[in-house]
Amino acid sequence: AIQMTQFPSSLSASVGDRVTITCRASQGIGKDLSWYQQKPGQAPKLLIYSATNLQSGVPSRFSGSGSGTDFTLTINSLQPEDFASYYCFQDHNYPRAFGQGTKVEI
Amino acid sequence: EVQLLESGGTVVQPGGSLRLSCSASGINLRFFAVTWVRQVPGKGLEWVSSISGNGNFMYYADSVKGRFSISRDQSTATGYLQMTNLRVDDTALYRCATLAGAWGDHWGQGTPVTVSS
Repeated sequence: AIQMTQFPSSLSASVGDRVTITCRASQGIGKDLSWYQQKPGQAPKLLIYSATNLQSGVPSRFSGSGSGTDFTLTINSLQPEDFASYYCFQDHNYPRAFGQGTKVEI
Repeated sequence: EVQLLESGGTVVQPGGSLRLSCSASGINLRFFAVTWVRQVPGKGLEWVSSISGNGNFMYYADSVKGRFSISRDQSTATGYLQMTNLRVDDTALYRCATLAGAWGDHWGQGTPVTVSS
């Protein structure tokens, strides 16, 4: 099974900062990686699919990069509503797997 | 507006069984694979199981293989997760989702399952 290692597990940032979250797959997954944002009490929300594609309606300050085993989610100019947890997710094969999550805090 | 609605969660004793259901409004669930994801409050997301759109292919996490069974009823456009031999560490909020990327990534609000004696 493919393991997804996400880091950091948490980070502190300020409004206006640029934030980078990394996800590493235990084997190559091409570009079959998504990024989700989750706020307390809410369902996850898709931000990025196929590693680099911005989901409709998601602000352009979110971007994804990478392929193979190493992937990055970047948030440019962090906004107050961006303080949340973020998860990567591989949909290359089964069993599917989420990363452990990154909590972005003030 | 698309909504996925889960039901069936409750408190059950270890070793017990439970069946969760997933239905949708605003989309035709018949055309989507259905996935179950669980989350212990305050913890991360765990993929549990998926079933293909036609119901021919089912997949499971190692942690539930042999105990959980996923299915769907195309006549009612409903997805199911049959859970047997439940353990304390199965306690979580269970959500169903479509996870179809740009074609439709939709999640329910979840149904809580508590396994406790």
